[in-house]
Amino acid sequence: GENVEQHPSTLSVQEGDSAVIKCTYSDSASNYFPWYKQELGKRPQLIIDIRSNVGEKKDQRIAVTLNKTAKHFSLHITETQPEDSAVYFCAASIGNQGGKLIFGQGTELSVKP
Amino acid sequence: ETGVTQTPRHLVMGMTNKKSLKCEQHLGHNAMYWYKQSAKKPLELMFVYSLEERVENNSVPSRFSPECPNSSHLFLHLHTLQPEDSALYLCASSQAAGGATGELFFGEGSRLTVL
Repeated sequence: GENVEQHPSTLSVQEGDSAVIKCTYSDSASNYFPWYKQELGKRPQLIIDIRSNVGEKKDQRIAVTLNKTAKHFSLHITETQPEDSAVYFCAASIGNQGGKLIFGQGTELSVKP
Repeated sequence: ETGVTQTPRHLVMGMTNKKSLKCEQHLGHNAMYWYKQSAKKPLELMFVYSLEERVENNSVPSRFSPECPNSSHLFLHLHTLQPEDSALYLCASSQAAGGATGELFFGEGSRLTVL
């Protein structure tokens, strides 16, 4: 079945450094790729998403890139801050059905002041 | 609270008990979901309801029984669960199960412990 692989599982960076999280997906029909942030004890919340007709999207310190040929997409966080510490999940849609998602295993990001 | 609310937030039950999780969304969305979040595992899609009709049942054991009486409410009925069913159960909603927008709005989750 479809799956999404996410790496690394944990990531520790110094405040101000950049963080990169990578995901690969298996379903070539997937066309929607969101990233969710889940702080400890809280609900996952969407931080950025990208659709298959776009190769890159940026929102302030956060950017996502998509390579459809290679079936991988990445999250880039620049100038990291302690409040960026959380678990980040990538996801890919099941086919073109945006609300039905396959999630990656999650990356626990720790930003040290 | 606006958005997606889940009750109870914490639930402890024995393997022979019957309980229900409740989810309510105040966003006017047409699709609702149950996801299971276990430690060290990705979020697993369990059920999808679109316009009150179940459109997805991801090989979930029959001891989990969903119910969607209207587009704002979703239940997960639990009976004869196993200890490995202990997890955080997240409800989510979206404007539609497919189509233009796929953003999921999650509830805070119901932490279930099966003894």
